[in-house]
Amino acid sequence: KAGVTQTPRYLIKTRGQQVTLSCSPISGHRSVSWYQQTPGQGLQFLFEYFSETQRNKGNFPGRFSGRQFSNSRSEMNVSTLELGDSALYLCASSLEQGARTDTQYFGPGTRLTVL
Amino acid sequence: AQKVTQAQTEISVVEKEDVTLDCVYETRDTTYYLFWYKQPPSGELVFLIRRNSFDEQNEISGRYSWNFQKSTSSFNFTITASQVVDSAVYFCALSAVNSGGYQKVTFGTGTKLQVIP
Repeated sequence: KAGVTQTPRYLIKTRGQQVTLSCSPISGHRSVSWYQQTPGQGLQFLFEYFSETQRNKGNFPGRFSGRQFSNSRSEMNVSTLELGDSALYLCASSLEQGARTDTQYFGPGTRLTVL
Repeated sequence: AQKVTQAQTEISVVEKEDVTLDCVYETRDTTYYLFWYKQPPSGELVFLIRRNSFDEQNEISGRYSWNFQKSTSSFNFTITASQVVDSAVYFCALSAVNSGGYQKVTFGTGTKLQVIP
């Protein structure tokens, strides 16, 4: 079974631009979560999508948004990029979400550099 | 509020030594799950183990073993006879269902393990 895939793997943008990252979950997984990893803040939860609906959100500004498609693929968008948005963005998929806590399987991440 | 503390920032051991990575957690939930993930230099988080709050049985899987103690809110991870390939950052994580019925995952800050040949 193919794992979680993320595209692109590396991205360089300048301040003020916007960026869209993509995540394809493991086949059959319906929940997709996004995390930001930085040396200073560590791994921080961004949001979770299940059945095309955002069901959980971390403490990030509205510049960070996402969506999920009917095939469970998810995209994350960051608008008006700031230098502090430079990070490794990790996507994780799990079977379902809600009353259960499922094991999350992570993709390789997208490393975003903002200049 | 959930919190996961990995007090050891970096550990260096010589190959074949045993090493224990500490994890202490805080949660008000009675039902929760604990995880360990490994992040090699390539960056991808690799799932190692998941335990639920009702199962305090310790587990051994090959060279890996885990010691879960609810009384001290700890979930420690031991690598026996360490190998160079074990060099990575190891994360402990806590997952619980919040009041809205949705999963909340909190990660520790990670412990960087360096195994010296």
